[in-house]
Amino acid sequence: GAGVSQSPRYKVTKRGQDVALRCDPISGHVSLYWYRQALGQGPEFLTYFNYEAQQDKSGLPNDRFSAERPEGSISTLTIQRTEQRDSAMYRCASSLERTQDTQYFGPGTRLTVL
Amino acid sequence: GESVGLHLPTLSVQEGDNSIINCAYSNSASDYFIWYKQESGKGPQFIIDIRSNMDKRQGQRVTVLLNKTVKHLSLQIAATQPGDSAVYFCAELGGGADGLTFGKGTHLIIQP
Repeated sequence: GAGVSQSPRYKVTKRGQDVALRCDPISGHVSLYWYRQALGQGPEFLTYFNYEAQQDKSGLPNDRFSAERPEGSISTLTIQRTEQRDSAMYRCASSLERTQDTQYFGPGTRLTVL
Repeated sequence: GESVGLHLPTLSVQEGDNSIINCAYSNSASDYFIWYKQESGKGPQFIIDIRSNMDKRQGQRVTVLLNKTVKHLSLQIAATQPGDSAVYFCAELGGGADGLTFGKGTHLIIQP
């Protein structure tokens, strides 16, 4: 079956622009997570949704970062007024129900801020 | 700082040999541990997991060992194949956290 999908796969933007990154989780998966991965590092947790409810946003770096999942399926991570330090791979994962169910990762969106 | 880490950034093994990748964690409240494999240009791929009420779990060619006394996790890959070449991350969950905490990763290189 289809795995987690993300779009776009690559995004190049200029500093100060807003970007929206999309995640489509595995069908039927209740839990959705956003991570950020720097080159050579493991993914770093950003935020977590259970259905449409954002249960944990403790990993969001600052208030320029926000996420939503209005219908409990597709999620959007938005970064406002992008800065060069926001350049990274942004990964989405989903799990069936609980956070202790296996998290399956998508291919990621590579964001480059010039 | 990192609560989960790996001891070696690179591990080189001969094809056909067994590989052992180690991980140390510091959060004693963690109760769920996972190994992921990440190939170049791809997202992390689940390999095997273990919960804190176990000390060993086996999969196909892989075994995970958990030593809670010294907060150590290891991944053993039997008869390493060229397709095993990747970066391996251990991750932990627990203590009320919702997201996984990953270590820095070990790059497994297979020598022909």
